[in-house]
Amino acid sequence: GQNIDQPTEMTATEGAIVQINCTYQTSGFNGLFWYQQHAGEAPTFLSYNVLDGLEEKGRFSSFLSRSKGYSYLLLKELQMKDSASYLCAVRKENTGFQKLVFGTGTRLLVSP
Amino acid sequence: DSGVTQTPKHLITATGQRVTLRCSPRSGDLSVYWYQQSLDQGLQFLIQYYNGEERAKGNILERFSAQQFPDLHSELNLSSLELGDSALYFCASSFGQGTYNEQFFGPGTRLTVL
Repeated sequence: GQNIDQPTEMTATEGAIVQINCTYQTSGFNGLFWYQQHAGEAPTFLSYNVLDGLEEKGRFSSFLSRSKGYSYLLLKELQMKDSASYLCAVRKENTGFQKLVFGTGTRLLVSP
Repeated sequence: DSGVTQTPKHLITATGQRVTLRCSPRSGDLSVYWYQQSLDQGLQFLIQYYNGEERAKGNILERFSAQQFPDLHSELNLSSLELGDSALYFCASSFGQGTYNEQFFGPGTRLTVL
C-alpha cells in the first residue's frame, strides 16, 4: 500500500521562507513530484525528484531522501500569489505500470 | 493554459443518472489520465490510457468507465450516480506512457449530484 503525509495547513508571511514536508511509505517508489493548486483550479507542476538531493528552480526548491521516505518543498521570498495548496505525489511502479499517488495537500496561506 | 481541454466545466445532475466527461489532451500527447478530487479525499488517480489502450487503473469504481479514441481524446463515463460522486474530475496528459513525464492538467469538470 501507500501512505503519503503532509501537514494540512501552514501560514507564513510575505517575504519569508516556508518549508512544506512530505513523508511517504510505498512499495515500488520511482520518483516524487510537487504540484501547486490554487482553489478550484488545475494542479500545475513545480518539481520532480528521483535521486536524493536538492533540485532548485527559482524561488522553489525540492529535496528528496529516499532512505528516509522524506521530501520537502522550500518556497523563498514568499508572495501573496503563493497562497495555494501544495500536493506531494509519489510515482509508484507496479507490474510494469506506473501511477501517481497524491497526498491530500498542504494549504499555504501567505499573509501581508 | 496547459493545452488540455475538458468539457463541460460544470455539470449538475440527479442521483441515478449517467454523465460523460470529455477530455482533449495537449497536441502530441499520447497518454491521458483521469483523477477525481473531492474535499475530503484529495486527488485520486482513476485510470490511464496510452494511445488508445488502458495502461493503469487506480481506485475506479465499476460504475465508472473510460475510453480513449483514435484521435486521442478521452471520455469518462459515470453511471448510477450517487451523492458521493460529487467532485472535481481532472484529466491530465503527457507525451509518454510512463509517469516520469510531467503531467499537464486540464481545468477540470465540477460534477454536482443532487
